Amino acid sequence: EVQLVQSGAEVKKPGESLKISCKASGYTFPNYWIGWVRQMTGEGLEWMGIIYPDDSDTTYSPSFQGQITISVDRSINTAYLQWASLRASDSAKYYCARSEAGKGTAFFDYWGQGTQVNVSS
Amino acid sequence: SVLTQPPSVSGAPGQSVTISCTGSSSNIGAGHDVHWYQQRPGAAPKFLMYGNHNRPSGVPDRFSGSKSGTSASLVISGLQTEDEADYYCQSYDNSLSGSDWVFGGGTKVTVL
Repeated sequence: EVQLVQSGAEVKKPGESLKISCKASGYTFPNYWIGWVRQMTGEGLEWMGIIYPDDSDTTYSPSFQGQITISVDRSINTAYLQWASLRASDSAKYYCARSEAGKGTAFFDYWGQGTQVNVSS
Repeated sequence: SVLTQPPSVSGAPGQSVTISCTGSSSNIGAGHDVHWYQQRPGAAPKFLMYGNHNRPSGVPDRFSGSKSGTSASLVISGLQTEDEADYYCQSYDNSLSGSDWVFGGGTKVTVL
């Protein structure tokens, strides 16, 4: 059974750094892309970026380029989303999701449960 | 949002509702497929439809999709109370500012 299990909720202050995780199981991790999607409270889905674990090929949404870093650790089948300096506007729920492709006809077939991030002074 | 959806649609149990997803020549009109997700309250999005009209295993055939020109549609026939959720379309966009996965703003389906 394919599963994406994300790390727990976080409460941070502006300016702090953060790294959240997404642990995959039930499939061959290097062979599928992992993307990250933001959902602010009461709002829709926003694509942030995507990574191919086999070679760490990464594409960022122009809207998030330079604000986040996406990475993987193949040894533990885990993808990460990190911020060097959080802002209050980063408060949202973040989902990881799996895809067979990184662009074009790509879609997300499995989703993690989401990680709530709250940034407040 | 790059893809435009109606904020809400509603219908009585057993009726049909249609959710539109309108894009442009840089995404749907460029030939990129449209995919759909269902998000029930408090839950993660769930994969509902891919490649404009294909249902993943386990998705009831009450859900159907289509695409024409710069738009796509999701139809829920025989509406059931469990269909009450937010629905999002998704495609791919090639523009001058770069390439992007794009989502619609979401449509809330209410079962009356």
